[in-house]
Amino acid sequence: GQNIDQPTEMTATEGAIVQINCTYQTSGFNGLFWYQQHAGEAPTFLSYNVLDGLEEKGRFSSFLSRSKGYSYLLLKELQMKDSASYLCAVNPVQDNLFFGTGTRLTVIP
Amino acid sequence: ETGVTQTPRHLVMGMTNKKSLKCEQHLGHNAMYWYKQSAKKPLELMFVYSLEERVENNSVPSRFSPECPNSSHLFLHLHTLQPEDSALYLCASSQDPPGWTGGRMNTEAFFGQGTRLTVV
Repeated sequence: GQNIDQPTEMTATEGAIVQINCTYQTSGFNGLFWYQQHAGEAPTFLSYNVLDGLEEKGRFSSFLSRSKGYSYLLLKELQMKDSASYLCAVNPVQDNLFFGTGTRLTVIP
Repeated sequence: ETGVTQTPRHLVMGMTNKKSLKCEQHLGHNAMYWYKQSAKKPLELMFVYSLEERVENNSVPSRFSPECPNSSHLFLHLHTLQPEDSALYLCASSQDPPGWTGGRMNTEAFFGQGTRLTVV
């Protein structure tokens, strides 16, 4: 079976750094994705990790440890527009994206 | 604009109605998907089409009927729905069909804006 765990909600201050964790148990592993979804909008792709380590893309970074079934999304220099849901999704081998419930991040002034 | 367009954006229908959701992708992708997103639940995969053939149906009730007439269009036909079917229905597409890497491991999905469905 497949299972993905991430916190339901988080709050952080504008300008700060926030880390959103994701743990997963899947029957196979073909990569882990992070998507951002603003209320009422489509999810949009943020990052993809298939090897262990940190992938940096501007203010966003994503980390993966396959042996621990663990990933995190790191957001730096938070802006109000970063308030959104962040979805962790795993691509098990020979299957499709399996999503977690998402973490709703609220950025406050 | 992600290249995946869904219509309508909002739909209210009675339990005896018949309606259809439409999805169109302009990305030249080979796989298309229907997802259901309910409040406080993860995105649930409903149907997958690869090169216009259905490859996966995750035990979705028969009141949902997909149709993929060509690689750019995907429909979800709805009939005799229940109030618990109220949700956001998202269409997505990806370059590669499920399970085929073609030397690439990235199966990034591009999502449409979704149709907010309310069944009354």
